[in-house]
Amino acid sequence: NAGVTQTPKFRILKIGQSMTLQCTQDMNHNYMYWYRQDPGMGLKLIYYSVGAGITDKGEVPNGYNVSRTTTEDFPLRLELAAPSQTSVYFCASSLDRGTGELFFGEGSRLTVL
Amino acid sequence: DQQVKQNSPSLSVQEGRISILNCDYTNSMFDYFLWYKKYPAEGPTFLISISSIKDKNEDGRFTVFLNKSAKHLSLHIVPSQPGDSAVYFCAASARGSGANNLFFGTGTRLTVIP
Repeated sequence: NAGVTQTPKFRILKIGQSMTLQCTQDMNHNYMYWYRQDPGMGLKLIYYSVGAGITDKGEVPNGYNVSRTTTEDFPLRLELAAPSQTSVYFCASSLDRGTGELFFGEGSRLTVL
Repeated sequence: DQQVKQNSPSLSVQEGRISILNCDYTNSMFDYFLWYKKYPAEGPTFLISISSIKDKNEDGRFTVFLNKSAKHLSLHIVPSQPGDSAVYFCAASARGSGANNLFFGTGTRLTVIP
């Protein structure tokens, strides 16, 4: 009954470092997403995937990369971290394209100093 | 440009009274609207939704109203309970775009006072 699991929950990075946020879902959902939420702002879509091997950019993809080699996993890679990437990151999944009813993970708070 | 707006950052309501959370949108192509609820240190969870072919959808204590001409929707919670204290996000999607084109508002923090 895990749903969507994200790791790590917290991370502090130095400018220029790289890291990967992990996301796993056990609901056999086809669609997976990465959102970021900045203070006082709504969630913005970074990347999404409609199935293994298929990914596409969302509204704010710059500075990030994703891969989807399995149905379960959808890692988000930050290359050359910048202070502007300080945010809370949410991974989500849905069974299909549907109407927007997403299942979210608990979030990963990233600080870039 | 924020296509989905929640102009009230916070709202306080006494337990047992009605909570009304408001949301405005600018894109006339939006045809499906959702409310998500978020507790601290947790991810958002889906609460209730409404299609543009309806003007009201009810689920227990939660009712969402849609006024298409005003591009406005509202979430009513009655009676409000302390466990309803959370941040509520309004979200909208456009025809055919589904979940990969979901626009979120900035959220309203609801505090229900016992």
